[in-house]
Amino acid sequence: SQQGEEDPQALSIQEGENATMNCSYKTSINNLQWYRQNSGRGLVHLILIRSNEREKHSGRLRVTLDTSKKSSSLLITASRAADTASYFCATDAGDYNFNKFYFGSGTKLNVKP
Amino acid sequence: DAGVTQSPTHLIKTRGQHVTLRCSPISGHKSVSWYQQVLGQGPQFIFQYYEKEERGRGNFPDRFSARQFPNYSSELNVNALLLGDSALYLCASSFQAEAGFSHFGPGTRLTVT
Repeated sequence: SQQGEEDPQALSIQEGENATMNCSYKTSINNLQWYRQNSGRGLVHLILIRSNEREKHSGRLRVTLDTSKKSSSLLITASRAADTASYFCATDAGDYNFNKFYFGSGTKLNVKP
Repeated sequence: DAGVTQSPTHLIKTRGQHVTLRCSPISGHKSVSWYQQVLGQGPQFIFQYYEKEERGRGNFPDRFSARQFPNYSSELNVNALLLGDSALYLCASSFQAEAGFSHFGPGTRLTVT
């Protein structure tokens, strides 16, 4: 079974609002990453947070990581129509020797103009 | 710099046929991984290659095989195609073999009829 699971499965908001999506995973990790995918195309890397970090920012993105709860959240502030996409978290299952990721089923974000 | 490139973009095959998908990593990247993404789900890890050696294999049947060439490009081969092999096949490259973020290509959309 997949390591990471995102919640909610779908999210619809108005432009300018904030979007929050969550990810839960099952085993200890080295890193957790968030990716964006537009309309079934390639994945775009957004941000990587290491297991010893609690929060990380990149532009309008804010990611938190709680290793005790095995969960992460991605916050997109002041959303734009161009943010409409599917968002996936990916974990490495704690084995640093492999560049192997486990993905959840994603959160489908729709930002209405 | 060019990103990860994959070819072909789309292809349609018949059950029982064989298919070869190709991937060229970002210049200087020595690790290539392959993922399968079935519609509505997150990507699933198939293989990782580093310096022409297999570093990791996911839970896929032996009909799936891959190799990496001296120039670090890679091929994914699937024999005896099944309808369930219809998916977006994603290639990802990274500089290192160990866990860290990867750059994904645009994918090859395979349809098996």
